[in-house]
Amino acid sequence: KNQVEQSPQSLIILEGKNCTLQCNYTVSPFSNLRWYKQDTGRGPVSLTIMTFSENTKSNGRYTATLDADTKQSSLHITASQLSDSASYICVVSGGNKLTFGTGTQLKVEL
Amino acid sequence: NAGVTQTPKFQVLKTGQSMTLQCAQDMNHEYMSWYRQDPGMGLRLIHYSVGAGITDQGEVPNGYNVSRSTTEDFPLRLLSAAPSQTSVYFCASSYFVAGGGETQYFGPGTRLLVL
Repeated sequence: KNQVEQSPQSLIILEGKNCTLQCNYTVSPFSNLRWYKQDTGRGPVSLTIMTFSENTKSNGRYTATLDADTKQSSLHITASQLSDSASYICVVSGGNKLTFGTGTQLKVEL
Repeated sequence: NAGVTQTPKFQVLKTGQSMTLQCAQDMNHEYMSWYRQDPGMGLRLIHYSVGAGITDQGEVPNGYNVSRSTTEDFPLRLLSAAPSQTSVYFCASSYFVAGGGETQYFGPGTRLLVL
């Protein structure tokens, strides 16, 4: 069964600090891996999409990495801001299907 | 572009009532889909459409119907609401099948409470 597991479930950090969110997957076949940001009460918004051949991709202060051999991905947030408070969802695509993780809830505090 | 729009934003239903959740997109996307999001679970695919006149079932289709008469609109119908359908519903669209490399755009969601 295809699965996407994210850790930690929740995380609290101080504004200006960096953090890293993890995503492990067991999806086959594999097409691409996506990270979404979902603000409270809103729909998910795409941050990055990485294919098998890409091992890093950045979008501003967000940097995603992918290790297709170990089936792991991470999302690194640099110099966090209050507006980064959200749920971050890892999604793995394979066989024209998307498998969603349950998300990491990030809270950035002053 | 308005992107993906959904109405209503919030709805309360009684068990057994029916209703239609509306979804529209103005990006000329062929692929549209409906998801439900429940606490502690990832988004689950209810139904999807790869173009006008073509729909198919996703992971959790029971109790829901869809149709796609135009490229822009993809309504989701609850036939006889049950408390288990209490959830947040998201509509999404993309140029091609979501399993490819295309960015998927989500609507703002409809919060449904079934009493």
